[in-house]
Amino acid sequence: KNEVEQSPQNLTAQEGEFITINCSYSVGISALHWLQQHPGGGIVSLFMLSSGKKKHGRLIATINIQEKHSSLHITASHPRDSAVYICAVGRGTASKLTFGTGTRLQVTL
Amino acid sequence: NAGVTQTPKFQVLKTGQSMTLQCAQDMNHEYMSWYRQDPGMGLRLIHYSVGAGITDQGEVPNGYNVSRSTTEDFPLRLLSAAPSQTSVYFCASSYATSGSYNSPLHFGNGTRLTVT
Repeated sequence: KNEVEQSPQNLTAQEGEFITINCSYSVGISALHWLQQHPGGGIVSLFMLSSGKKKHGRLIATINIQEKHSSLHITASHPRDSAVYICAVGRGTASKLTFGTGTRLQVTL
Repeated sequence: NAGVTQTPKFQVLKTGQSMTLQCAQDMNHEYMSWYRQDPGMGLRLIHYSVGAGITDQGEVPNGYNVSRSTTEDFPLRLLSAAPSQTSVYFCASSYATSGSYNSPLHFGNGTRLTVT
């Protein structure tokens, strides 16, 4: 069993829909990261959180430490949100991260 | 600031050849790392560094060497390329120090390497 599991693996939504991507992990962590990888390949850090909830624009990330679960929500989705969303957990020293395999999101008009 | 700069963007090698993937950051980040990304797998850590002169192995270090002579640069060397090293390589950096694990990562744009 992978330490970090994401669901779903693939997601297609229509513009305007509310989207939820889930991440579950099996070990104690110091922080959880959400990353976005665009079709061109570049990776951008969206959120880093260790408790509670963070919001940036139409993106919301939540984490439940007791349940070892995090969600990334996208409100009012747009085609430009189409990307792979990656969850990663940090534990131990020097920000060594364990990555999920990603959720591929496609938002259509 | 340029952020994290990786070169080259694409590279094709023959089995047995050696090469160096370059990574530079201008944010004065202490922590730098190299990952490889393969289809169906999450990013995997190859090597990392918590400061100039300090490097350590990650999850998949075999076949790769690194050095950190300056804060800015963290090159990754392939000693004798093998087809199994065909992958997309990402360099990343962050402020994280030995006592602070919770810093966002800044990624380079990646290097797509093919070994024939």
